[in-house]
Amino acid sequence: KAGVTQTPRYLIKTRGQQVTLSCSPISGHRSVSWYQQTPGQGLQFLFEYFSETQRNKGNFPGRFSGRQFSNSRSEMNVSTLELGDSALYLCASSTWGTDTQYFGPGTRLTVL
Amino acid sequence: DAKTTQPPSMDCAEGRAANLPCNHSTISGNEYVYWYRQIHSQGPQYIIHGLKNNETNEMASLIITEDRKSSTLILPHATLRDTAVYYCIVRVLGYSGGGAEGLTFGKGTHLIIQP
Repeated sequence: KAGVTQTPRYLIKTRGQQVTLSCSPISGHRSVSWYQQTPGQGLQFLFEYFSETQRNKGNFPGRFSGRQFSNSRSEMNVSTLELGDSALYLCASSTWGTDTQYFGPGTRLTVL
Repeated sequence: DAKTTQPPSMDCAEGRAANLPCNHSTISGNEYVYWYRQIHSQGPQYIIHGLKNNETNEMASLIITEDRKSSTLILPHATLRDTAVYYCIVRVLGYSGGGAEGLTFGKGTHLIIQP
């Protein structure tokens, strides 16, 4: 079974731009979570989607948003990029009723 | 979710067993102990989880003390590829993949396997 895939793997943007990251979960997994990882703050939970609905949200500003499609694929969007948004963005998928999350390789975003 | 305490770093010789401790003295009765690891610049990888009984899978063993206030992850025959940051997480089993607030990662233990 293929793992979680994320595209693109690397991205360079400038301040003020917006960016969209994509995540394809493991086949059959309907829950997708997003995390941000920075050297200073570590791994932080952004939000989780299940059945196209955002179920949970971490403590991030409204510039961070996401959505999930009917095939469980998910996208996250960051608007008005700031230098501090430079990070590794990780997507994880899981099946309903379990807490075992399977992570993708991440998208490395650099904001200049 | 209960708070966990892990040593910031540990060394282990290749081929020996690596024993990674985790303290979770405030764990509640319905919280599970999960272990993930993150090899440099990769996404975290699930290793094992348990509630109160010891667990073993192809990757590792999890030993939980009887009072559940601490646990130990054991990698039986460590290899260089096991060099990673290991995270111990305790949480209530979520209604879906992420649970109420997603996984809460601490700083973990940086395990370095020495050749």
